Amino acid sequence: NAGVTQTPKFQVLKTGQSMTLQCAQDMNHNSMYWYRQDPGMGLRLIYYSASEGTTDKGEVPNGYNVSRLNKREFSLRLESAAPSQTSVYFCASSEAMSFYEQFFGPGTRLTVL
Amino acid sequence: DAKTTQPPSMDCAEGRAANLPCNHSTISGNEYVYWYRQIHSQGPQYIIHGLKNNETNEMASLIITEDRKSSTLILPHATLRDTAVYYCIVTAGANNLFFGTGTRLTVIP
Repeated sequence: NAGVTQTPKFQVLKTGQSMTLQCAQDMNHNSMYWYRQDPGMGLRLIYYSASEGTTDKGEVPNGYNVSRLNKREFSLRLESAAPSQTSVYFCASSEAMSFYEQFFGPGTRLTVL
Repeated sequence: DAKTTQPPSMDCAEGRAANLPCNHSTISGNEYVYWYRQIHSQGPQYIIHGLKNNETNEMASLIITEDRKSSTLILPHATLRDTAVYYCIVTAGANNLFFGTGTRLTVIP
């Protein structure tokens, strides 16, 4: 089992460019999450998907969109990247909509110039 | 969700017990205490959680005070691989979390 995988690992964008961060899990989990972590800070929830076909906003959703493509995959899209979106992005999944044992991916390090 | 207060950093000698405190004085009755850790910019890793009773698993023990206003995570025999940032999180659900800045634990040889 690979667990939670994220692509790409690193990305540099120019202001105004768009991109999609990909996340997939092979644990048959129902719930998936996207977080961002700024330097020296804890994680903040951007969006989550309680189950396939549903998505909801977290604490910091502005500037992002998400798609729960199927049970395995949950993508995060930046339509017009801004320097304030420079961060490390983590995807996570859990069996159900609870904080009990969320499994995290390795992260995507995004720099917006 | 209730917010938590943790010391920014702690040191622990290798092989000794590491006791990491957390204050959560505004915790509500339906909120659990969770502990996660993050090793050197990797994704966070679940450690343990509890509601009222003390809990123990293969990684750690969680001691929650009777009034539930504080808790302590205990790593019984710290190793160098336990060097990480430890987050104490109090929540009733996964859609309203406050991670905070955690405690940076350094295990010293």
